Amino acid sequence: ETGVTQSPTHLIKTRGQQVTLRCSSQSGHNTVSWYQQALGQGPQFIFQYYREEENGRGNFPPRFSGLQFPNYSSELNVNALELDDSALYLCASSRGGAGASVGEQFFGPGTRLTVL
Amino acid sequence: QKEVEQDPGPLSVPEGAIVSLNCTYSNSAFQYFMWYRQYSRKGPELLMYTYSSGNKEDGRFTAQVDKSSKYISLFIRDSQPSDSATYLCAMKETGTYKYIFGTGTRLKVLA
Repeated sequence: ETGVTQSPTHLIKTRGQQVTLRCSSQSGHNTVSWYQQALGQGPQFIFQYYREEENGRGNFPPRFSGLQFPNYSSELNVNALELDDSALYLCASSRGGAGASVGEQFFGPGTRLTVL
Repeated sequence: QKEVEQDPGPLSVPEGAIVSLNCTYSNSAFQYFMWYRQYSRKGPELLMYTYSSGNKEDGRFTAQVDKSSKYISLFIRDSQPSDSATYLCAMKETGTYKYIFGTGTRLKVLA
């Protein structure tokens, strides 16, 4: 069974730039959630994708957007980067249905984004 | 008030001690409860997953949920230096997509 993978591991960008982060879900999982984890904080929910559609969203502005592909992998895009976007971005996969995820949620290793 | 409260620590214990980690929450609709372990600069690793109330044991780990008190606990028996990490609790309502996390408790097990 293949776990959740994310790329790249680290990324350095400057303010105003755009970034794309990638995630491959665990085998058998059809739902992907993205989280932002600032230093010393717990993960904050950004959004979730199920069947290639956004299933729910946390308190993040529209410049945070995403995609899910037919193989259930996913991308997180952030436009107009701000200094406060510097964080660990985590992807988690689970088995889900419309409007809900069921069962355990497994995380990838994360992408550490630094915005200068 | 945050939906999920967790003491950030750090909590320092000697090797072999029993560790008790706790979270309190305000939303009585939470039904799914999880504990994660996160090593520095790594992704969270799922330790325990519990639905509704009761206890669950897995090796040295025991998770307890007390819904009447809105309180969950993770016990670690015979703690080891390798258990030194941040422990995160997470919870969600039935039929929703969003897990709410605590801020994490940093644990140090001293050899």
